[in-house]
Formats: sequence, C-alpha cells, structure tokens
Amino acid sequence: EAGVAQSPRYKIIEKRQSVAFWCNPISGHATLYWYQQILGQGPKLLIQFQNNGVVDDSQLPKDRFSAERLKGVDSTLKIQPAKLEDSAVYLCASSFSHYEQYFGPGTRLTVT
Amino acid sequence: AQSVTQLGSHVSVSEGALVLLRCNYSSSVPPYLFWYVQYPNQGLQLLLKYTSAATLVKGINGFEAEFKKSETSFHLTKPSAHMSDAAEYFCAVSDLYTGANSKLTFGKGITLSVRP
Repeated sequence: EAGVAQSPRYKIIEKRQSVAFWCNPISGHATLYWYQQILGQGPKLLIQFQNNGVVDDSQLPKDRFSAERLKGVDSTLKIQPAKLEDSAVYLCASSFSHYEQYFGPGTRLTVT
Repeated sequence: AQSVTQLGSHVSVSEGALVLLRCNYSSSVPPYLFWYVQYPNQGLQLLLKYTSAATLVKGINGFEAEFKKSETSFHLTKPSAHMSDAAEYFCAVSDLYTGANSKLTFGKGITLSVRP
C-alpha cells in the first residue's frame, strides 16, 4: 500500500513569510497527526484529527499555526507569519488502529 | 502526564557487538510503549511496540525490548549490530486508556553509530 505522502520535502523562507505543508494519509486511515521535530529533539505533537474533527491541538501555537483536514482525507498545516524558531521537520502521520502510526518523510523547513 | 527519558545522545558500537539503547518512562496510567527508527531524511518507522501483552517484545530487523514495570524501563536490544542499523532511535509512550489512536510522547532520541 502507498505510504503517507508529504510535500514539499524542503522549504526555505524568510521570517514573517507564510508557508503551507500538505499531507495525504494512507487510504482508510481516519486519524491524522502533525508533529514538529526540532533538530536534536523527538517529535512533538502539534495537532491530531479524527476524520475531519480536531481531537487534540493543545500544543499548536494558534496565533501563527493553523491546520485543516478537508473531507477527512488530506490535510494542510500553515504557518503565518513564520519565526526563526519554527525551523524544524514537520512530520505527518496517520493511523487506523492497533496503536501504530505510519509516518511520512517529513518537510524540512528552514526560516532565515 | 507522560514522559520518556533517553539518557545520552549518542551510542557507538562495533559491528557484531550488542546494541543496548535505554529508555525509561513516566506514566500515571498503564503505558503503551514504542520504539521507532529514523534514517537520514526519512520519516519514523515502527520497530516494535508493547501493548500490555507479553513483556518481551520482538520487532523487525532483529530488535527486541523488554517491559519492566518495576524499573519503568523499556530498553531496546539487538544481539549483533549491523552497519545498516546506524540511525536515530526514539522511544515513545502513549496511554492505555485513551485508546488505539492516542497521541505519542517521544524521547529526544539516541543516535546509533556502528563501527566496521
């Protein structure tokens, strides 16, 4: 089966610009997650969707980050405006059951 | 609240030597525990998981881990390291009561190097 797809793979922007990331989960996976992985740290959950509803967004900086999951399938994560500390890898994951999350390759964001 | 501690940031072993990567967890409820591996410029891949069944869990690529409640540990081992095992390894915890799609809390990761 096809894995979790993410695009773009790499993005370089200047601070105060906006950026958007796209994720296509594995077909049939109702749960979708966005994680932020800063260099030298483990992934940190930003937001979790169940179908197109938000389950947990407690660690999402809502003043600058937003995410949506249209029709319970694809999802986009947006940052506006970006700060230097947003430089990280943004990972998308999806799951169906059995406690296993499948991760995409990630988008590496560099804010200059 | 749940947390994971992975002491040290880097482990180096010789090819063919034992691999031991340590993970300790803190959880107020019975935990589910996971080990993930991340190769350069790739996403995370599940190595193995403990979900309250057998305490000794076998995973892919010859890795295994043992859940020890008394020590709040879930250390990852492999009897004989291979060059292809060089990667970053993350331990993660979620909780039993939240369900199959609960969020993961990750440790900071350990980089494994394998010397020829």
